[in-house]
Amino acid sequence: AQKITQTQPGMFVQEKEAVTLDCTYDTSDQSYGLFWYKQPSSGEMIFLIYQGSYDEQNATEGRYSLNFQKARKSANLVISASQLGDSAMYFCAMREGRGNQFYFGTGTSLTVIP
Amino acid sequence: EAGVTQSPTHLIKTRGQQATLRCSPISGHTSVYWYQQALGLGLQFLLWYDEGEERNRGNFPPRFSGRQFPNYSSELNVNALELEDSALYLCASSQWAQYFGPGTRLLVL
Repeated sequence: AQKITQTQPGMFVQEKEAVTLDCTYDTSDQSYGLFWYKQPSSGEMIFLIYQGSYDEQNATEGRYSLNFQKARKSANLVISASQLGDSAMYFCAMREGRGNQFYFGTGTSLTVIP
Repeated sequence: EAGVTQSPTHLIKTRGQQATLRCSPISGHTSVYWYQQALGLGLQFLLWYDEGEERNRGNFPPRFSGRQFPNYSSELNVNALELEDSALYLCASSQWAQYFGPGTRLLVL
């Protein structure tokens, strides 16, 4: 089974609108971390936001928030007030508590339309 | 605080040659990860080093190898290059989150 699943290969959003990028994960660990990364066309992977499995509050970082639903094993990224510079690939990732192994999803390509 | 650095930024080789890619982690990070990203595709996990030891490797042939030095910098070696090795090679270091370098774009002709 895939550890991280991103079911949206591509998404479009109007500038200034909010958009949700889906991510589901699979683990039997109680302790794990969930991450989102942004990869613009330049290629560099930029760390956006982190959610720990024991965190009760959803993580927020500026316009980014992580909608964490533990029972459903989902960790969706919400980008509010989309900007043209948000156009990029977005990757969801998980680190399991037992070690430092990371698992990445296949990514979602987001295009912000002016 | 300096981020993860990688060199070279671009590398052009011909089929059959060897390529060496280098990575310096963030100061204090002992884990280094290597990923291959072919054009338009996701990240494929290559290798993970921690404290000088190889901890795990992805589903790649043995001609992909590497090492980690005492200062935690790392080297990825690709022998007998094939055309399909053309890709962006990303290095990341980690204490908890992974922080990535800018990558090395390898082109095999």
